[in-house]
Amino acid sequence: EIVLTQSPATLSLSPGERATLSCRASQSVSRYLAWYQQKPGQAPRLLIYDASNRATGIPVRFSGSGSGSDFTLTISSLEPEDFAVYYCQQRSNSYTFGQGTKLEIK
Amino acid sequence: QVQLQESGPGLVKASETLSLTCTVSGASISTYYWGWIRQPPGKGLEWIGYISYSGSTNYNLSLKSRAIISVETSKNQFSLKLSSVTAADTAVYFCAALRGYCSGGSCGNWFDPWGQGTLVTVSS
Repeated sequence: EIVLTQSPATLSLSPGERATLSCRASQSVSRYLAWYQQKPGQAPRLLIYDASNRATGIPVRFSGSGSGSDFTLTISSLEPEDFAVYYCQQRSNSYTFGQGTKLEIK
Repeated sequence: QVQLQESGPGLVKASETLSLTCTVSGASISTYYWGWIRQPPGKGLEWIGYISYSGSTNYNLSLKSRAIISVETSKNQFSLKLSSVTAADTAVYFCAALRGYCSGGSCGNWFDPWGQGTLVTVSS
């Protein structure tokens, strides 16, 4: 099983700041990685697929990068609605999710 | 747009079978693959399995063959049965579409969109 490790577990930032979230895979997943956003009491929402492609309707402040085993989700300038939990997920070998990064207001 | 809604009992007794249904609107069940994901309270996400539009299935091996996913085309629904449940199966269960997204000349399926989720508690 491919294990995805996200860091940090919690990230405390203020609106307007830049957020950088990391996801590391236990083996190469090529570019077969996605990022999801989950707000309390809601279902996850697809943000980024294939490492760097924004899903339909996702604002341009969200960007993804990386390949192989190391991936990054960047939010260029945080809006109040961006504070949530973010998960990465791979589809290279079956499907697994990372444990999540909670982005909280500082 | 595609919308999904889970339904089923919120309480299941230990050792019995959990049964959930996902009703799809806005798209034919024959269009995409369909999956189930769960989230224990306060924890992360775990993929359970998926079914293709042709009826082929694939499951998370960690569930040790306890899960069965099926499709009812006439009702535009798909279902999950999880047998021999224990307290560890207590979770919010999400259904989701596995839709194809293409980039760089290749296409793959990602979970989008998801249903709102339903909490299933296993009682002793």
